[in-house]
Amino acid sequence: KAGVTQTPRYLIKTRGQQVTLSCSPISGHRSVSWYQQTPGQGLQFLFEYFSETQRNKGNFPGRFSGRQFSNSRSEMNVSTLELGDSALYLCASSFGHFNTEAFFGQGTRLTVV
Amino acid sequence: GESVGLHLPTLSVQEGDNSIINCAYSNSASDYFIWYKQESGKGPQFIIDIRSNMDKRQGQRVTVLLNKTVKHLSLQIAATQPGDSAVYFCAENSNDYKLSFGAGTTVTVRA
Repeated sequence: KAGVTQTPRYLIKTRGQQVTLSCSPISGHRSVSWYQQTPGQGLQFLFEYFSETQRNKGNFPGRFSGRQFSNSRSEMNVSTLELGDSALYLCASSFGHFNTEAFFGQGTRLTVV
Repeated sequence: GESVGLHLPTLSVQEGDNSIINCAYSNSASDYFIWYKQESGKGPQFIIDIRSNMDKRQGQRVTVLLNKTVKHLSLQIAATQPGDSAVYFCAENSNDYKLSFGAGTTVTVRA
């Protein structure tokens, strides 16, 4: 059974640019969550989608957005990149009910220069 | 705000010994907890979970203990191996479709 797949694995972008990251969940999982991981802030929740609907959103500026497609794949977009957006972006998938296991992908390492 | 935290940022353990990693949480509404292991360059790997109606759960070489009275969670690893060297995170959920993570404990296994 394939795990959570995130693409690309690494990205280097320039300040002011925008970026789109992709996540394919485990087959059968309908919930996709996104997290930002930095050395200073640790793992911070960005948003969660289930059946193409955002059910929760973290405390991030509006430059961070996401969406989910009918096949449960998800994308997140960051516009007008800032140096502080450099981080490991992690996607987790689950069946989507309360209190169910969430499994993470390898992450996308974004570096903003 | 409410957060999940770990007592110690680092833990050094002799190979073959048992490891205990602690986590304190402050959200009394939390009813589901997960331990993750993260190796360098990889995403967090699910280890074991526990629901608030339990106080102990065992897996392969791992045991999670939950004390709701003092809001404390621990992960015990039996017979620690070099492959157990990683950062360990506890995470909690309170039925809001997100996980809140602690800062992590770096475990180093000495040969």
